[in-house]
Amino acid sequence: DVKVTQSSRYLVKRTGEKVFLECVQDMDHENMFWYRQDPGLGLRLIYFSYDVKMKEKGDIPEGYSVSREKKERFSLILESASTNQTSMYLCASSRDRVYRWNQPQHFGDGTRLSIL
Amino acid sequence: TQLLEQSPQFLSIQEGENLTVYCNSSSVFSSLQWYRQEPGEGPVLLVTVVTGGEVKKLKRLIFQFGDARKDSSLHITAAQTGDTGLYLCAGRDSGGGADGLTFGKGTHLIIQP
Repeated sequence: DVKVTQSSRYLVKRTGEKVFLECVQDMDHENMFWYRQDPGLGLRLIYFSYDVKMKEKGDIPEGYSVSREKKERFSLILESASTNQTSMYLCASSRDRVYRWNQPQHFGDGTRLSIL
Repeated sequence: TQLLEQSPQFLSIQEGENLTVYCNSSSVFSSLQWYRQEPGEGPVLLVTVVTGGEVKKLKRLIFQFGDARKDSSLHITAAQTGDTGLYLCAGRDSGGGADGLTFGKGTHLIIQP
């Protein structure tokens, strides 16, 4: 089974801090994604990556950046955390770059981030 | 932005009853995925439907993709408490558009014993 591991289940940070959320997958998947999930808004794509050192903006990239230095690891960075970034963050991966949007996405269990 | 509207938003029924939840859009989708998310966990893929009119069965769960590939339904027969969760549909707009997978907001399903 594919395992997508997010480094923290719960995280509390302060406004203005730089925050790193880490995600690792163990199945040599090419594609990795970061979403945030909010009540009433559903899942929204922040960034995705289909190769090492490659990144593409999703629907809501403002205030975030990402890093993919190794194939198995995809990091989400909040450059200067704000209270409106309090949310559940979900990382996902899928196998191939070709037809990537028709493939199953394998999700981690999420990081619940609170910005005070 | 292509929208996937899911209905109902919330559903609470007794164990043993049947139910249907819906995923609708004005856009044509090249494929549609259904996920279930349990509290404290990430979504888990249940099924992918690709062909218009396609029906897939997963034990007591029956998934259907509309003929025009704009809508989908999930029917659960004889619901069990283990079916409780958030059901999400997600699709890729066949029109090309912006790169991305669109998720509906989900149906929160509670099966009461």
